[in-house]
Amino acid sequence: EPEVTQTPSHQVTQMGQEVILRCVPISNHLYFYWYRQILGQKVEFLVSFYNNEISEKSEIFDDQFSVERPDGSNFTLKIRSTKLEDSAMYFCASTTDRGQDEQFFGPGTRLTVL
Amino acid sequence: LAKTTQPISMDSYEGQEVNITCSHNNIATNDYITWYQQFPSQGPRFIIQGYKTKVTNEVASLFIPADRKSSTLSLPRVSLSDTAVYYCLVGARTGGYNKLIFGAGTRLAVHP
Repeated sequence: EPEVTQTPSHQVTQMGQEVILRCVPISNHLYFYWYRQILGQKVEFLVSFYNNEISEKSEIFDDQFSVERPDGSNFTLKIRSTKLEDSAMYFCASTTDRGQDEQFFGPGTRLTVL
Repeated sequence: LAKTTQPISMDSYEGQEVNITCSHNNIATNDYITWYQQFPSQGPRFIIQGYKTKVTNEVASLFIPADRKSSTLSLPRVSLSDTAVYYCLVGARTGGYNKLIFGAGTRLAVHP
């Protein structure tokens, strides 16, 4: 069964450093999302992406964040200058149809900012 | 987006049926009800979606009364592996780019 993959599974970085989290969505999916979950808290929407551009972003997704689909398979989330409060699980998701609520989530990347 | 209310936690035992109820008093005409499951340290996973009456799949059943102001996710004969957080989400399926808005969910603990 096709699945969303994410790398790395765990990333440790120093405050102020840049990190890139990588995702490979399911191959025939067209809509891509990033969510995050701070430990013990709820899953929060960050950004949605379609046709090589951002379709919606949340208040969390400020100028420090960017997304890119550099080739036909990868979907990346970059945090330019990490802060302690960016420590969280970051989940990538994808779906075939913007009206379909069945989003397929990856296993997540645990980001720890020291 | 309709606000949802569900119990913070529930306990059950292996082999029992578990029913998790979600209230969504302000549900709109074109809103669907969707349930996701999340195991520890994993991404959420779609379980079931419905609009009205009853929907059943290999994992669960979803019961929606006529007024649609609540819904009940039913898990038959739970096992230890059903221990997870269950989220009820309500929103339109058509139009827009469907970001998912998660609440706190219901933390289900299944005991031997």
